Amino acid sequence: NAGVTQTPKFRILKIGQSMTLQCTQDMNHNYMYWYRQDPGMGLKLIYYSVGAGITDKGEVPNGYNVSRSTTEDFPLRLELAAPSQTSVYFCASRTGIRDKESRGNTIYFGEGSWLTVV
Amino acid sequence: SQKIEQNSEALNIQEGKTATLTCNYTNYSPAYLQWYRQDPGRGPVFLLLIRENEKEKRKERLKVTFDTTLKQSLFHITASQPADSATYLCAPGGGANNLFFGTGTRLTVIP
Repeated sequence: NAGVTQTPKFRILKIGQSMTLQCTQDMNHNYMYWYRQDPGMGLKLIYYSVGAGITDKGEVPNGYNVSRSTTEDFPLRLELAAPSQTSVYFCASRTGIRDKESRGNTIYFGEGSWLTVV
Repeated sequence: SQKIEQNSEALNIQEGKTATLTCNYTNYSPAYLQWYRQDPGRGPVFLLLIRENEKEKRKERLKVTFDTTLKQSLFHITASQPADSATYLCAPGGGANNLFFGTGTRLTVIP
């Protein structure tokens, strides 16, 4: 069971370039999230999705775009990369199914994508 | 706006002692609160979830309490070991589709 898979693991971008961080999950989860984590800091929510075709902004959406055409995939697009977007990006998912033990609220994270903008 | 604070950036304790980490939240009425562990260079991993109607939850050497009046959760690791060294994140949730995390507390257990 692969879980949440992110690619690439590492990437260096030049200012103004664009790129897409890929995220796919094989757990048939409805909810998917993109977070960024700056060195020594907490996780900041960029965008999230509650199902295919539905996306919504988080705390820090500026400079990013997402799409959710399938349940499995939730790519994050960086347009016109800036040094402020240097960070580690985490994709995550959960079922969202309601049960007595609230297991549907458990979030599964990918291993992260390290992005440097120079 | 919603705010989540974890007691300190870093906490150092001696092996064998109990580590206590604090999570305070404001402008929130979470239905549950989760704790995650994050090792350097890795994604967070789920540890425990406690619901608003539960005062305490245990899992092996871990114990979590949840006081909705104080708007606080305490996370305890008993008989701590060097392998427990990591950053611990809290995440109050429920009632919304998004999920926010605290800034984390970096725990170091000294042999």
